[in-house]
Amino acid sequence: DAKTTQPNSMESNEEEPVHLPCNHSTISGTDYIHWYRQLPSQGPEYVIHGLTSNVNNRMASLAIAEDRKSSTLILHRATLRDAAVYYCILDNAGNMLTFGGGTRLMVKP
Amino acid sequence: GEEVAQTPKHLVRGEGQKAKLYCAPIKGHSYVFWYQQVLKNEFKFLISFQNENVFDETGMPKERFSAKCLPNSPCSLEIQATKLEDSAVYFCASSLFMGSPTDTQYFGPGTRLTVL
Repeated sequence: DAKTTQPNSMESNEEEPVHLPCNHSTISGTDYIHWYRQLPSQGPEYVIHGLTSNVNNRMASLAIAEDRKSSTLILHRATLRDAAVYYCILDNAGNMLTFGGGTRLMVKP
Repeated sequence: GEEVAQTPKHLVRGEGQKAKLYCAPIKGHSYVFWYQQVLKNEFKFLISFQNENVFDETGMPKERFSAKCLPNSPCSLEIQATKLEDSAVYFCASSLFMGSPTDTQYFGPGTRLTVL
């Protein structure tokens, strides 16, 4: 599987937008980009996914670079509840998810 | 149910004892996955099922780990003769479909296994 690289941690102020970057320079044409997050003491939860076009849902937006070698998860207004580890995962087979180290997002009140 | 249920929430075993963990997937989901999270952010895939059939067991330590998904029963993950390094949080996930990279996996709250 192609690998992803994310910063270990990021900080944000409450009610401000957050941009979480992910590099995936070896992405293949059939890889979808998925984002999951893990809130403290919980299992991972799905956030969003995309292939080429930018995507929006009620939780977040996903901006995908034109060459697909990087993507950014955007939380439009961070809340304290968004403090979590965010994982960027590539998937082309729909079987197991391969989690990397993720980005720990801290939200300050 | 509407959520993946895992029991027990916590399990403590002495080294060498058996541990059995259970997972009830979301009703209607045919695919079940087991993952092990050892250090805070480090996940390891163990095994996946399509209904009661093993789909992929490439992550399973062959000697002491076994898993089943039988009809009309929760899925189970069993560790014979636990070792200290088995201490981890074990997550179960289920999905409606598999084999498509657009599938979403829904995770349970996990079972924390502590081996003393």
